[in-house]
Amino acid sequence: LAKTTQPISMDSYEGQEVNITCSHNNIATNDYITWYQQFPSQGPRFIIQGYKTKVTNEVASLFIPADRKSSTLSLPRVSLSDTAVYYCLVGDRYNFNKFYFGSGTKLNVKP
Amino acid sequence: NAGVTQTPKFRILKIGQSMTLQCTQDMNHNYMYWYRQDPGMGLKLIYYSVGAGITDKGEVPNGYNVSRSTTEDFPLRLELAAPSQTSVYFCASSSGQYNSPLHFGNGTRLTVT
Repeated sequence: LAKTTQPISMDSYEGQEVNITCSHNNIATNDYITWYQQFPSQGPRFIIQGYKTKVTNEVASLFIPADRKSSTLSLPRVSLSDTAVYYCLVGDRYNFNKFYFGSGTKLNVKP
Repeated sequence: NAGVTQTPKFRILKIGQSMTLQCTQDMNHNYMYWYRQDPGMGLKLIYYSVGAGITDKGEVPNGYNVSRSTTEDFPLRLELAAPSQTSVYFCASSSGQYNSPLHFGNGTRLTVT
């Protein structure tokens, strides 16, 4: 399983765009990248996933360069309610048996 | 749909006691997982199941047991509680289909004293 590395914490202000980068140097050909968000006292919630290039949904964008050794979660115009821990996972898209979480990035959005 | 439901929400155990954490899902998902999350840390996989009657160990299985007699339920058993098992426990499920995400319950906060 590919190991992931993320910054421990980040600060931002309301209305700014936030980019959180995840490093996964030993990502395998079949691996895809998934991001989850976790609020205190809740289970993680799926945000977005992708395999290569760019993926966008109603809450975030995911940028994956050609070598796929890193990925960047982009949150447009964050609000206080986006304060949470964000986890990057890398897993085999043909083997769904196990998903391993790293330590995540604690995003603190300030007014 | 309720999604993934965990009970109880909170529990305090004495060292050496046993208990079962309940998890049930109503999405007809084949895959189910148990994670634990220690304060300020990420989630660690304890056990997982790919279908009724099939379970396997994750990263930190010692001190725990699981069973999967139905698609809906995936209970986690602690036989001899130890202070090191003080944590928040999350159950999750997935359809197992291509790129299907994990759906989590809201956790059980367990304290062993």
